[in-house]
Amino acid sequence: NAGVMQNPRHLVRRRGQEARLRCSPMKGHSHVYWYRQLPEEGLKFMVYLQKENIIDESGMPKERFSAEFPKEGPSILRIQQVVRGDSAAYFCASSDRTGNYGYTFGSGTRLTVV
Amino acid sequence: EDQVTQSPEALRLQEGESSSLNCSYTVSGLRGLFWYRQDPGKGPEFLFTLYSAGEEKEKERLKATLTKKESFLHITAPKPEDSATYLCAVQGLNYGGSQGNLIFGKGTKLSVKP
Repeated sequence: NAGVMQNPRHLVRRRGQEARLRCSPMKGHSHVYWYRQLPEEGLKFMVYLQKENIIDESGMPKERFSAEFPKEGPSILRIQQVVRGDSAAYFCASSDRTGNYGYTFGSGTRLTVV
Repeated sequence: EDQVTQSPEALRLQEGESSSLNCSYTVSGLRGLFWYRQDPGKGPEFLFTLYSAGEEKEKERLKATLTKKESFLHITAPKPEDSATYLCAVQGLNYGGSQGNLIFGKGTKLSVKP
């Protein structure tokens, strides 16, 4: 069981470029969550997805950010026209239907915008 | 507004010196309180979920307890390998049925010296 797989581990983008972060959930998990961790800040919820559906995107910035979890393939968090303030660690977590056994987190993607 | 406050921000212990970490929370109806451990450069690792006041859970040298306003993570006779940041998170009841929105504290960074 490989757990939650995120790639890339590190991503450097210039201001104005697009960043694509990928997350493959743990085997048997169909619920995916994205969180952002800014330096010296706690983890902040961004979006919760199930296959082909966005369930809760209340933590997503209204502009430039989007997320999807297609029927086939990993979940993608997409950031368009990145700015320096987007530099952070982005974590993906997955759970089973109930979420009662905790959410399993991946190792994160560290995005640096230069 | 739902929020989580963890104290202390940092804690230094000698090996074998027991102590407790505090997590105070405000939430309009608690669905669950989660404890995670995070090592540098890694994602949070699930430790415990607590659901109701009075509940306790144990795992090796760790014991988590819950009251109506706070949770404690007790560490008995810690070892250097227990050094990490410990994160507390709450999940409220009124998120439109969404189970995804965990509110995290900023964590307590624990260092255990041999």
